[in-house]
Amino acid sequence: SAVISQKPSRDICQRGTSLTIQCQVDSQVTMMFWYRQQPGQSLTLIATANQGSEATYESGFVIDKFPISRPNLTFSTLTVSNMSPEDSSIYLCSVGTSVNTGELFFGEGSRLTVL
Amino acid sequence: EDQVTQSPEALRLQEGESSSLNCSYTVSGLRGLFWYRQDPGKGPEFLFTLYSAGEEKEKERLKATLTKKESFLHITAPKPEDSATYLCAVQGRFYGQNFVFGPGTRLSVLP
Repeated sequence: SAVISQKPSRDICQRGTSLTIQCQVDSQVTMMFWYRQQPGQSLTLIATANQGSEATYESGFVIDKFPISRPNLTFSTLTVSNMSPEDSSIYLCSVGTSVNTGELFFGEGSRLTVL
Repeated sequence: EDQVTQSPEALRLQEGESSSLNCSYTVSGLRGLFWYRQDPGKGPEFLFTLYSAGEEKEKERLKATLTKKESFLHITAPKPEDSATYLCAVQGRFYGQNFVFGPGTRLSVLP
């Protein structure tokens, strides 16, 4: 398993602003992902954070809205840009520690409320 | 398209009352089926991975089973601390296939 720390744990933001969420892992991991969990719903994959290259985005998510950085194998950031109330959600960082077994481990999440 | 459904949406049990949660899936070649527990305000916590039909995994009061179309999470003599949302997810076998999560079952165990 891996210990995953996310900052901030929660924030209240104004419409039109941007917020960057940080994800720090206690060990080097190959796979890092960012998920969104809207109120009362399950998890939706936003993108795969690739070390040293551009993130791979899922359908419905674009780099201009959700820019992602991954400078090394233990750290990644997700920015939610030009926020609107529809972006109010929990954003979760996730890592895969083994290509063979496939389990994902999650951070505690960052709960964003956009006013 | 890979899909995961879970039933029931919510389940309320008395302490000690055993029951099962269902996860039905369609996937183009199953690599693994995963069960997670999520407490309010927290990220999902990994419970089990199942890889092939007939496989079973156990952890304390929980037992997960897998068939070719569905998985069950059996909860034996639950306690109030088992109250949580239980999520099921599948991953396809082909390279680059990502996890698909179900909507979850919200379990409440009353003392």
